[in-house]
Amino acid sequence: GQQVMQIPQYQHVQEGEDFTTYCNSSTTLSNIQWYKQRPGGHPVFLIQLVKSGEVKKQKRLTFQFGEAKKNSSLHITATQTTDVGTYFCAAMKTGANNLFFGTGTRLTVIP
Amino acid sequence: NAGVTQTPKFQVLKTGQSMTLQCAQDMNHEYMSWYRQDPGMGLRLIHYSVGAGITDQGEVPNGYNVSRSTTEDFPLRLLSAAPSQTSVYFCASSRPGTGFTEAFFGQGTRLTVV
Repeated sequence: GQQVMQIPQYQHVQEGEDFTTYCNSSTTLSNIQWYKQRPGGHPVFLIQLVKSGEVKKQKRLTFQFGEAKKNSSLHITATQTTDVGTYFCAAMKTGANNLFFGTGTRLTVIP
Repeated sequence: NAGVTQTPKFQVLKTGQSMTLQCAQDMNHEYMSWYRQDPGMGLRLIHYSVGAGITDQGEVPNGYNVSRSTTEDFPLRLLSAAPSQTSVYFCASSRPGTGFTEAFFGQGTRLTVV
């Protein structure tokens, strides 16, 4: 079954609105990564979080890793049309060597 | 650097046919993996390899075989294609360990089985 649950599956926003996607696991994760896939493209790495409670920022993107290392979020402030795509979280379970992907959140930005 | 190269980009197969999806990386990464991507299902791990000569099953291995004779290459074989294997396939590589483990993806192979 799916190792990591991600919500929402779809999100439509007006350009300039904020966007958040959430990733949840029932087990403790050794790390969590976020990827972006443009329509017709391949997943591209955005960031990796390793520490409990870690917060990282990339311009308008803010990534958080939960204190219990079981959940994570990606927040985009003031979306732009260039943010369109599907955002995936990907996680490695503690002690494992495999990267399992969430189901993804497809973001549409309406100009 | 070419990164991760997948061939072909598109393929149409008839039910029962066999084929091999090629994947090569030039980054000397130990870890390589194959995923399939279906609408609403995200990326599901088919098989992976932690180094030459070592392979293991992921979430959805049935109907697929892999081998890893070199560090660079990790082909995926469909022995007898079925319509349920219609999907987009991605190969990825990374350097596992306690440090940075960014996965690099190929451009994908869009496979249709009729």
